[in-house]
Order: sequence, then C-alpha cells, then structure tokens
Amino acid sequence: SAVISQKPSRDICQRGTSLTIQCQVDSQVTMMFWYRQQPGQSLTLIATANQGSEATYESGFVIDKFPISRPNLTFSTLTVSNMSPEDSSIYLCSVEGTSGRSEYEQYFGPGTRLTVT
Amino acid sequence: AQSVTQLGSHVSVSEGALVLLRCNYSSSVPPYLFWYVQYPNQGLQLLLKYTSAATLVKGINGFEAEFKKSETSFHLTKPSAHMSDAAEYFCAVISGNTPLVFGKGTRLSVIA
Repeated sequence: SAVISQKPSRDICQRGTSLTIQCQVDSQVTMMFWYRQQPGQSLTLIATANQGSEATYESGFVIDKFPISRPNLTFSTLTVSNMSPEDSSIYLCSVEGTSGRSEYEQYFGPGTRLTVT
Repeated sequence: AQSVTQLGSHVSVSEGALVLLRCNYSSSVPPYLFWYVQYPNQGLQLLLKYTSAATLVKGINGFEAEFKKSETSFHLTKPSAHMSDAAEYFCAVISGNTPLVFGKGTRLSVIA
C-alpha cells in the first residue's frame, strides 16, 4: 500500500478566494485521483491526473474551477478557485496500487476539510 | 454504466451482534468490488476487495463479503460487532476502464 499525506488538513476560506491542496505519496505512481466528498455524501471523482499530461476531468468538473498540477510521480496539487459556500467539502486524493496483489486497489489520503464562508 | 446501491444509509447494531451491510451493483462487464471504511475525520481505508477469484472474501478487522453474481450483490458481514466498528462504510465498483464508483455509504452505529 501507499502512504499519502495532504496539506492542509483543514481550512476555512472566504468566498471568492482560492485554495491549493497538496498531495504527497511515498512512492512513485502513474495515476493520482482527486475526489470531493460533500457533507453527508459519498465520494465523487473530480479528475484523474497523470504525470506529464493534462488532467482528465469528470462530467460536471472543469479545469478553470479545479486546476490540477502533476509535476512528478509523487506529488499533485488541486486548486479550488473562486470558492463559494457550495465548495465546502472534504477533498481527497488517492492513488492506485501498482503491484499485482494491489491491482485496482485505491489508497486514500486523510483528506482536506474545506469550509467556505 | 456501472453503479452501486447501498441499502440503508444508517444501520444500528448491538455490540456482539451480527453486522450486515448491503451492497448491490450494476455492471455490464465482470466487476471488481470493494468495501472501504471511513472513521470520523479520516480518509478511506480498504477493508476488502473482490477481483474474480474466491467469491467469499476476507478482509481486515474480521469483516468478510460474498460476491453473488446471480443476485448482483456484495454484502459485508462481521459475526460480532465491536464498538470500534462504528464508522461510515462505502461499497465501490470498477469495471473495464471506468473510474471507481462509490455507493452513498452506510453509517454503522454500535450500541453498548
């Protein structure tokens, strides 16, 4: 399994501002994923980030609102831009297992709890 | 398109009682199925997975799940609930090249 850390763990932001969330993995991985978990809800995939290429966004999510960087195989950032209270959620990054036994498994970071006022 | 349905947003059991969390899936191709647990203020932890090998899958913390193709189900069970099992549980499915899709989650409460 992979060990994943996220910064910040939580933040309270004013509407109209932007927040960048960092995700660091302890091993090199090809694909990293960003999820949103709205209060009391399940996880929704925002985008998939591969190193060296543009992120692939799911329906309902756009690059202008959620720009993603993936500068190397162990790090990624997600920015939540021009925030509104509706963006208050937990944002989680995850990576896929790479070895045979962990194929298709995803490992999750602890999440970033964002509150927009 | 694949989907997951978790029956019951909240399940409450007594300590020592059987835990049964229900999950049904929809997939046009053979799926891989997962159960994740989320403790308060934490990320998700993989409990167990089904990847077309044995239909009865054993996971961590005494949990197990059985894949039943005829019923398109992957219910999670534990013979005896502990207080520490109180958490949110998510069933998830992946098939083909599609992303992991999560159910809405079931909150498990354990009563002393």
